[in-house]
Amino acid sequence: GESVGLHLPTLSVQEGDNSIINCAYSNSASDYFIWYKQESGKGPQFIIDIRSNMDKRQGQRVTVLLNKTVKHLSLQIAATQPGDSAVYFCAENRGNNAGNMLTFGGGTRLMVKP
Amino acid sequence: DSGVTQTPKHLITATGQRVTLRCSPRSGDLSVYWYQQSLDQGLQFLIQYYNGEERAKGNILERFSAQQFPDLHSELNLSSLELGDSALYFCASSVGTGLRQETQYFGPGTRLLVL
Repeated sequence: GESVGLHLPTLSVQEGDNSIINCAYSNSASDYFIWYKQESGKGPQFIIDIRSNMDKRQGQRVTVLLNKTVKHLSLQIAATQPGDSAVYFCAENRGNNAGNMLTFGGGTRLMVKP
Repeated sequence: DSGVTQTPKHLITATGQRVTLRCSPRSGDLSVYWYQQSLDQGLQFLIQYYNGEERAKGNILERFSAQQFPDLHSELNLSSLELGDSALYFCASSVGTGLRQETQYFGPGTRLLVL
């Protein structure tokens, strides 16, 4: 079936380096994507979203890139800090006319080394 | 803090029992969503309510049910519990404009352990 998935389960980076977390999706009709950060013992925290009419969106230290041709999504974190250590999920909004639902990828664990 | 609250934080119960999880959405949000996070299935959508009415259904078992009350808080009822129901249960809320592309804000979750 169609799903949203991640290439790398664990990513280890040095503090201060840039991080790139990747995500593949298979539903070509999807038009809204969200990145969430989940720290241990907490709920998913919204980071940034992007609609399919955009290729790139920037936030504070984060950038999301969307490549609809290859159905690929990435999250870039600039100057990664220890507080960025968490599991990151991409999610696809597959809402229909009646409602919304999020389909989540498997998650990537980001570990920041001091 | 997302503004979504969930109680209880932890719940330990036995197989065959019934539990109720509670969620209060962010102030003003009309839509409430329930998700289950387990080790083998990841984060999965269960059900959505909008202003008291069921709006969308996902992979929710027949043993599970939910409702949204006039004050917009929601409850998820889990009955005839099995060991495999042990998981984190998250509630999320969104504004509820009727548009599909709404950001969902998640609560801290309820950790359910079925023994």
